[in-house]
Amino acid sequence: DVVLTQTPSTLSATIGQSVSISCRSSQSLLDSAGNTYLYWYLQRPGQSPQLLIYLVSNLGSGVPNRFSGSGSGTDFTLKISGVEAEDLGVYYCMQATHAPYTFGAGTKLELK
Amino acid sequence: QVQLKETGPDLVQLTQTLSITCTVSGFSLTTYNVHWVRQPPGKGLEWMGAMWNGGGTDYNSAFKSRLSISRDTSKSQVFLKMNSLQTDDTAKYFCARSYRYNLFDYWGQGVMVTVSS
Repeated sequence: DVVLTQTPSTLSATIGQSVSISCRSSQSLLDSAGNTYLYWYLQRPGQSPQLLIYLVSNLGSGVPNRFSGSGSGTDFTLKISGVEAEDLGVYYCMQATHAPYTFGAGTKLELK
Repeated sequence: QVQLKETGPDLVQLTQTLSITCTVSGFSLTTYNVHWVRQPPGKGLEWMGAMWNGGGTDYNSAFKSRLSISRDTSKSQVFLKMNSLQTDDTAKYFCARSYRYNLFDYWGQGVMVTVSS
């Protein structure tokens, strides 16, 4: 199975600070058709996960543009440009290039 | 509007079978796919399997032959059945919708299931 390694596991930030989360894959997530099925989800406390980013860098519907995704192959990054209070929670990367789909262990974003 | 709602037991006995229903509204199961994802308390997310819009299924091999996913399109329901439950199957079970690009755009609120010995 593809292992996704997220760093850091915990991130402390102040409101307005810009932060980045890394997601590294044990295999390339580029498929034979040229698509990279890498996503980012946010799970707020007590809630279900919600989609932030799909196909590495595409913003989900209704997602603020302070969120951005980048990367290729095995290395991916989620950036939040100016953390807001509503951004607190656990961020997960997920891949759907290889079966079974797998998630990273999560990065908890806390207020400093 | 789009909704997914999981219903199932709060408590299941060790070695017994878990049955959860995901009832959807606002979209058709013959157009969209439904996935099952679980989350043990305080832990991360694990993809279990999918019911594709054409009626086919895929499973995470981690569940070997314990897991079965089926559907009733007339009732807009997708079913998860997993047998031989162990204590480490204690988790919140979510269903989620996908379509293009396999992105999970809507999730249910999840149902928390405890396996008791």
